Amino acid sequence: EAGVVQSPRYKIIEKKQPVAFWCNPISGHNTLYWYRQNLGQGPELLIRYENEEAVDDSQLPKDRFSAERLKGVDSTLKIQPAELGDSAVYLCASSLGTLEKTQYFGPGTRLLVL
Amino acid sequence: SQQGEEDPQALSIQEGENATMNCSYKTSINNLQWYRQNSGRGLVHLILIRSNEREKHSGRLRVTLDTSKKSSSLLITASRAADTASYFCATVKLIIQGAQKLVFGQGTRLTINP
Repeated sequence: EAGVVQSPRYKIIEKKQPVAFWCNPISGHNTLYWYRQNLGQGPELLIRYENEEAVDDSQLPKDRFSAERLKGVDSTLKIQPAELGDSAVYLCASSLGTLEKTQYFGPGTRLLVL
Repeated sequence: SQQGEEDPQALSIQEGENATMNCSYKTSINNLQWYRQNSGRGLVHLILIRSNEREKHSGRLRVTLDTSKKSSSLLITASRAADTASYFCATVKLIIQGAQKLVFGQGTRLTINP
């Protein structure tokens, strides 16, 4: 079974530029999560999708971050414009349902904003 | 804000020794999970312990939970070089609509020396 796929794995951009991350969850997983992980820290949830609906985006900085999950499968997380403080690893995870269901994480996209 | 706090932040032991990591949290939980993250990789789920359980085993892993002290510990017995990784506890509590929310600690960086 294929795991969660993310691309790109690495991205270096200059501040004020836009950037987008893509995630393909495990087939059949209806719940998808985007996390941000700063260096030396644990992941922090940005947004959670149930199928195509964003059901928890309370931690998403909506002035510059946006996300979508078309057709309830793949998802894209966008930052526009990027700031220096956005440098982090962006992790995507998926699960089959939410209540006590194990989350499966992708390898992440490491973003460096210069 | 992150709820779980791991202790110690870093741990270095010899191969074959046991490694113990602790996690403390602040509010009531439904369950607590431990994850492992190898360098540059995503997180891998290790074990889940429910709030009404006190101890759980999985191979060389033993997890305990003390809800009165709001703490959990992860014991890895007979450590191997491949156990070198960061270990995160994640507390889980029910939010609206029956969904769960994972809140990660800062992690313990474990190094196994050959």
